[in-house]
Amino acid sequence: DAKTTQPPSMDCAEGRAANLPCNHSTISGNEYVYWYRQIHSQGPQYIIHGLKNNETNEMASLIITEDRKSSTLILPHATLRDTAVYYCIVRAPLTTDSWGKLQFGAGTQVVVTP
Amino acid sequence: DVKVTQSSRYLVKRTGEKVFLECVQDMDHENMFWYRQDPGLGLRLIYFSYDVKMKEKGDIPEGYSVSREKKERFSLILESASTNQTSMYLCASSPTQENNEKLFFGSGTQLSVL
Repeated sequence: DAKTTQPPSMDCAEGRAANLPCNHSTISGNEYVYWYRQIHSQGPQYIIHGLKNNETNEMASLIITEDRKSSTLILPHATLRDTAVYYCIVRAPLTTDSWGKLQFGAGTQVVVTP
Repeated sequence: DVKVTQSSRYLVKRTGEKVFLECVQDMDHENMFWYRQDPGLGLRLIYFSYDVKMKEKGDIPEGYSVSREKKERFSLILESASTNQTSMYLCASSPTQENNEKLFFGSGTQLSVL
């Protein structure tokens, strides 16, 4: 699976959009981009994933550049409960040998302030 | 709402004790996983199971065993606890869906081995 690079931390004002960048310049054509987050003292939580097209769900939007070398997770209206570590993960299609082997790196610590 | 429940939030055990960590999911998922999370090392996969009575070693299975007698329950066993097994243990489950590794995590068990 390709390596990802994220800023170690960022602050965001409550009610504003939070734009979390992720660089994955070595991504392969069949690798997906996943985003998870981990609120302090809880297990990770799935947010969204995508391959080429932009994706949106009730939690966030995922914007993937045309060359797929980077992506941005957008939290449209950040709340205090969005304070967490956000992980960007690049993942090849599943095989029996690769189930569960998501590589959670250091992530980005997002702090939402009032 | 989807739920993965770990039996204990905090556990303190002594070196040499046999330790059982229990995990139950209510989503009828085929796949279940055990991870440990340590500062600076991220999440590491210990064991996983893709069906009842089936188990597969993850990246760090030494010192651990697992049991999956029922689809909803996946147990992690430390046969003889050691201090280097002090960690946060996370259980997760996922459905078998092609190209969608959407993991659902429990809240974790913080195990201290003294």
